[in-house]
Amino acid sequence: DAKTTQPDSMESTEGETVHLPCSHATISGNEYIYWYRQVPLQGPEYVTHGLQQNTTNSMAFLAIASDRKSSTLILTHVSLRDAAVYHCILRTNSGGSNYKLTFGKGTLLTVTP
Amino acid sequence: NAGVIQTPRHKVTGKGQEATLWCEPISGHSAVFWYRQTIVQGLEFLTYFRNQAPIDDSGMPKERFSAQMPNQSHSTLKIQSTQPQDSAVYLCASSLEENTLYFGAGTRLSVL
Repeated sequence: DAKTTQPDSMESTEGETVHLPCSHATISGNEYIYWYRQVPLQGPEYVTHGLQQNTTNSMAFLAIASDRKSSTLILTHVSLRDAAVYHCILRTNSGGSNYKLTFGKGTLLTVTP
Repeated sequence: NAGVIQTPRHKVTGKGQEATLWCEPISGHSAVFWYRQTIVQGLEFLTYFRNQAPIDDSGMPKERFSAQMPNQSHSTLKIQSTQPQDSAVYLCASSLEENTLYFGAGTRLSVL
């Protein structure tokens, strides 16, 4: 997985919208942007992924810059359950050892009532 | 869909004892992966099965660790003669072919 850069921590209040940034200046054309989140004593939870177009699902909206060198995970109406470490990683969807995921430190999102 | 199920959630063994960890992948997923996670080393790949066949065990310690997938509904990771350095959270993940990996809650192994 190629290198990504995320802020160490961010804070939010319940009900707010949070923008979690990730930069990936050396992303390759066949690399997808994946987001996972993890809370203590639980395995990583898949959030979303995208290649070029913005994507949305029940958990989050993923905004991808037109040059693909950065992306932003947008969480709307955050709750205490959204407090976690959010990991942004790059991986291809086929070939090589794309299943050998590695996580960096990620962004610790703190949500206060 | 119950997701990936791992049992037990927490296992405590004495040094030198054997530990067997169980994983039930998401129904219909053809790929099963084992990882372990520690604060120091982070997330480490151990081994990968596709359609029950071992594909890549390059992350497995050569001694004492073994993994099997006897049928499509479960996989086991066995650690013989456990050592304190084996203490970690062992994660199982499954995917449809090699697409998005979905992880279980993990088994926390504590070797005393």
